[in-house]
Amino acid sequence: EDQVTQSPEALRLQEGESSSLNCSYTVSGLRGLFWYRQDPGKGPEFLFTLYSAGEEKEKERLKATLTKKESFLHITAPKPEDSATYLCAVGDYKLSFGAGTTVTVRA
Amino acid sequence: GAGVSQSPRYKVAKRGQDVALRCDPISGHVSLFWYQQALGQGPEFLTYFQNEAQLDKSGLPSDRFFAERPEGSVSTLKIQRTQQEDSAVYLCASSSLTTNEQFFGPGTRLTVL
Repeated sequence: EDQVTQSPEALRLQEGESSSLNCSYTVSGLRGLFWYRQDPGKGPEFLFTLYSAGEEKEKERLKATLTKKESFLHITAPKPEDSATYLCAVGDYKLSFGAGTTVTVRA
Repeated sequence: GAGVSQSPRYKVAKRGQDVALRCDPISGHVSLFWYQQALGQGPEFLTYFQNEAQLDKSGLPSDRFFAERPEGSVSTLKIQRTQQEDSAVYLCASSSLTTNEQFFGPGTRLTVL
């Protein structure tokens, strides 16, 4: 069974203070690693899909990277609007999610 | 463009009542998924449809949970004889056949008293 562990559980940042979120996974064969953003009271919003070690994807201040055992979501110079819970998932049609990292960015 | 919509957004049920939750996927999306999200946790897979065929229902927690998608578009998740442990947010997602990126709706928050 696929397992996903995210760390830290919570992250408080000052505006402009870059940081990274970790997603460790255990799978029998990686079929895809997904990053989502979830705001309170809303459904997860798709950010990135990664398929193979060494792959990287970027969107605005976010950059996702992938190794054979973990993925990182780097937040560069965050703004208050980047405050959200970031979820990592693995799978193909049946996604297994981690518990998420809640990021709070203070102005 | 229109995303995934779910209704109702909030549902309060007394223990033992039956509930029905509706999902309207993105137009043209063949695949539809239901997830359950407990407070402070990530979503957990319940079931998967491709068109009207339910291809995987391994995540449904008990036989009180039933999902259908009779015409391959709108889906309904039904929970019979609700229990307090059924309280959660129920998320619906859809995707096209050309990608496995799932797009989620806003969810239905179910509270069982």
